[in-house]
Amino acid sequence: EDQVTQSPEALRLQEGESSSLNCSYTVSGLRGLFWYRQDPGKGPEFLFTLYSAGEEKEKERLKATLTKKESFLHITAPKPEDSATYLCAVGATGKLIFGQGTTLQVKP
Amino acid sequence: DGGITQSPKYLFRKEGQNVTLSCEQNLNHDAMYWYRQDPGQGLRLIYYSQIVNDFQKGDIAEGYSVSREKKESFPLTVTSAQKNPTAFYLCASSFPGQGGNQPQHFGDGTRLSIL
Repeated sequence: EDQVTQSPEALRLQEGESSSLNCSYTVSGLRGLFWYRQDPGKGPEFLFTLYSAGEEKEKERLKATLTKKESFLHITAPKPEDSATYLCAVGATGKLIFGQGTTLQVKP
Repeated sequence: DGGITQSPKYLFRKEGQNVTLSCEQNLNHDAMYWYRQDPGQGLRLIYYSQIVNDFQKGDIAEGYSVSREKKESFPLTVTSAQKNPTAFYLCASSFPGQGGNQPQHFGDGTRLSIL
């Protein structure tokens, strides 16, 4: 069965304290792995697409990496405005399968 | 600016009532999707449409119906058969892809509650 698991469920960081979010997946034939940011009461905002193991994408303080079994979203020197829920999704059999998300809180 | 517009932002349903959620996009995307998001759960796919006049059931289609008469529009009806409709509903769209290799772009959701 295709499955996506994100960890941890919640993460609290001090401003400037770097960390990583994990997205583990089992899927028959990965078509793509997608990262989204979701603010409370809003729809998910697309961040990155990764298609093959070894691929990396960066945007400001965020860097996404991909292996054959998992993806990491590295957050370098986070700021309070990076606080949000981060969702991971994998593309398989014509649709996206979403993980439950990691809620990140960055304290000043 | 191109984007996806969902309306209304908040919706209240009475017992036995059908309600329709609107989703319009001007991104020129062929594919459109409806998801349901509940606290502590990931997004669950209700219905999707890859092309006008065609749509498929997702993982939790019971109690819902859709239509796709125009490329830009994909309304979702929550029927009285859906016994637990309270949730955050998200509409998304994408370019057509090969088995889910295209990112989906989302609207800002409709929150549905029971009166």
